[in-house]
Amino acid sequence: AQKVTQAQTEISVVEKEDVTLDCVYETRDTTYYLFWYKQPPSGELVFLIRRNSFDEQNEISGRYSWNFQKSTSSFNFTITASQVVDSAVYFCALSEVQTGANNLFFGTGTRLTVIP
Amino acid sequence: SAVISQKPSRDICQRGTSLTIQCQVDSQVTMMFWYRQQPGQSLTLIATANQGSEATYESGFVIDKFPISRPNLTFSTLTVSNMSPEDSSIYLCSVEGGAGYGYTFGSGTRLTVV
Repeated sequence: AQKVTQAQTEISVVEKEDVTLDCVYETRDTTYYLFWYKQPPSGELVFLIRRNSFDEQNEISGRYSWNFQKSTSSFNFTITASQVVDSAVYFCALSEVQTGANNLFFGTGTRLTVIP
Repeated sequence: SAVISQKPSRDICQRGTSLTIQCQVDSQVTMMFWYRQQPGQSLTLIATANQGSEATYESGFVIDKFPISRPNLTFSTLTVSNMSPEDSSIYLCSVEGGAGYGYTFGSGTRLTVV
């Protein structure tokens, strides 16, 4: 069965600090996708990244970076030089290809608060 | 990626009544997904709606409570029936965004049952 674990329920950092949000997943599929979404206080879900199971290259997009390690089943997300606008709930999610379900399984989310 | 228009954005309803939520997509999609997000919680899949067939419900969700329609490839509705305060949640529809994209979500319907 699939599972996504975000052990950090809440994190607070001071502006300009770096912060890493952890995500550990479980799946029996060999082909799957991993995602990160941001949910600001307004409530909408903002897509951040999609990574397939065959691509373990780390990715950087501005202040955001992602570290995918299949050996530890982790897909961690780092925000560099955090800003107040980064305050939100961040969800890690998994989509299994081989089961054909196509839907997303979400972790419980990490609430990030960036203090000015 | 696809753009979804979801409405209503919020509603306050009396217990025992029903609310129908609509999602319109700007392109044709095979699957549409309906999620529930209870206060302070993560998103849970309610059902997957395919055009031309009955929706597939996840464990804990039943058609009598959450009937879904999918009349064409760009539109779907979710009805929350016989509501109780426990149904107070955000309801979101979603579609696959296409190669290289994530799943796109509607802006959500924030439902409060009193």
